[in-house]
Amino acid sequence: IAGITQAPTSQILAAGRRMTLRCTQDMRHNAMYWYRQDLGLGLRLIHYSNTAGTTGKGEVPDGYSVSRANTDDFPLTLASAVPSQTSVYFCASSESSRSGANVLTFGAGSRLTVL
Amino acid sequence: GQNIDQPTEMTATEGAIVQINCTYQTSGFNGLFWYQQHAGEAPTFLSYNVLDGLEEKGRFSSFLSRSKGYSYLLLKELQMKDSASYLCAAMDSNYQLIWGAGTKLIIKP
Repeated sequence: IAGITQAPTSQILAAGRRMTLRCTQDMRHNAMYWYRQDLGLGLRLIHYSNTAGTTGKGEVPDGYSVSRANTDDFPLTLASAVPSQTSVYFCASSESSRSGANVLTFGAGSRLTVL
Repeated sequence: GQNIDQPTEMTATEGAIVQINCTYQTSGFNGLFWYQQHAGEAPTFLSYNVLDGLEEKGRFSSFLSRSKGYSYLLLKELQMKDSASYLCAAMDSNYQLIWGAGTKLIIKP
């Protein structure tokens, strides 16, 4: 089934630890995104990639890094996790980031708890 | 600044009609999206409006007024499975999506 796979589904980790959330898509979409979703807030963009080899900062990039070595994979790394990074993280993709009808396909999400 | 406003929660009865409103302020405008998100799941695309007027898609319709910075999602013949959060998002002139916090819709039998 075509779509986006995220891993892990959920994770509890200690503050200060390094963590990588994995995201893989098989739709050959050019653009990929990482969002975090917190109760009472809208989806907030962390980082994005318009095409393989390029990345950009979103609304809340501090404490996170990404890479886009190929079309399919877009991992998100927390170098040193802090409790405020406790959230649900969604990876998403779209055919093009420069189109009005830019429909996003989302992964199932990764629930991260930092203690 | 850029902003999206939508009600936090709404309650409706099975079989009825409900209208979820969304107002937006963005730097430029490239369209308005509605997504549905069931609890614990990913958002899924419902509709996209870029021109004024009503777009109908089965039981769901979406309306846009660009001059008023206003949209609504209309759900007819409500079913229990429609219980979900409905996310409004506007795309600005840089093709960035500005998201509302979502409206949680509770359907009662």
